[in-house]
Amino acid sequence: AQSVTQPDIHITVSEGASLELRCNYSYGATPYLFWYVQSPGQGLQLLLKYFSGDTLVQGIKGFEAEFKRSQSSFNLRKPSVHWSDAAEYFCAVEGDQGAQKLVFGQGTRLTINP
Amino acid sequence: DTEVTQTPKHLVMGMTNKKSLKCEQHMGHRAMYWYKQKAKKPPELMFVYSYEKLSINESVPSRFSPECPNSSLLNLHLHALQPEDSALYLCASSPGDRWNTGELFFGEGSRLTVL
Repeated sequence: AQSVTQPDIHITVSEGASLELRCNYSYGATPYLFWYVQSPGQGLQLLLKYFSGDTLVQGIKGFEAEFKRSQSSFNLRKPSVHWSDAAEYFCAVEGDQGAQKLVFGQGTRLTINP
Repeated sequence: DTEVTQTPKHLVMGMTNKKSLKCEQHMGHRAMYWYKQKAKKPPELMFVYSYEKLSINESVPSRFSPECPNSSLLNLHLHALQPEDSALYLCASSPGDRWNTGELFFGEGSRLTVL
């Protein structure tokens, strides 16, 4: 069965600093991978997705992620964080039933220090 | 219009009440979803409707009853809930073709409190 691990439950960074959120997946075939962000009291919004091709994908709000098959990882990065990036971040992989059954990681809560 | 609209935003109900959560989208999507999210946890899939037919039920208790009256609307009927059912209920939609992988569009959720 597919699974997603986000090793960091909570990360704190200073505004303007760089950010990397880790995501490891378990899936036998070529995975379809996603990063979603959830601001407090809100629904989830897609930041970026990887289906195939270039392993470095660009998303919204200045985020990017790199797919590394050898490490089964799909880490999210941002060169300089803003206070508005404080949120919960979820990595997800499509399950056997495609987009209808995403498998989410446990989430990483990002706090930004001024 | 890229929005999924959920009503009400907040709902407080007793264990004997009957209430409904509503979800609407006008993106032409043919798959709609109900997720349940407890605090500090990822969303948990409850139901999926594909082309207005129930395609996935994740063994959800019968006190939760989904309904998809048409391709734009999704309801979740609630009856005889328990306090542990208190959570954020998220609706989402996607284009609908299983092989048309893509993003889910989420609403802002309905915060349910069961007393």
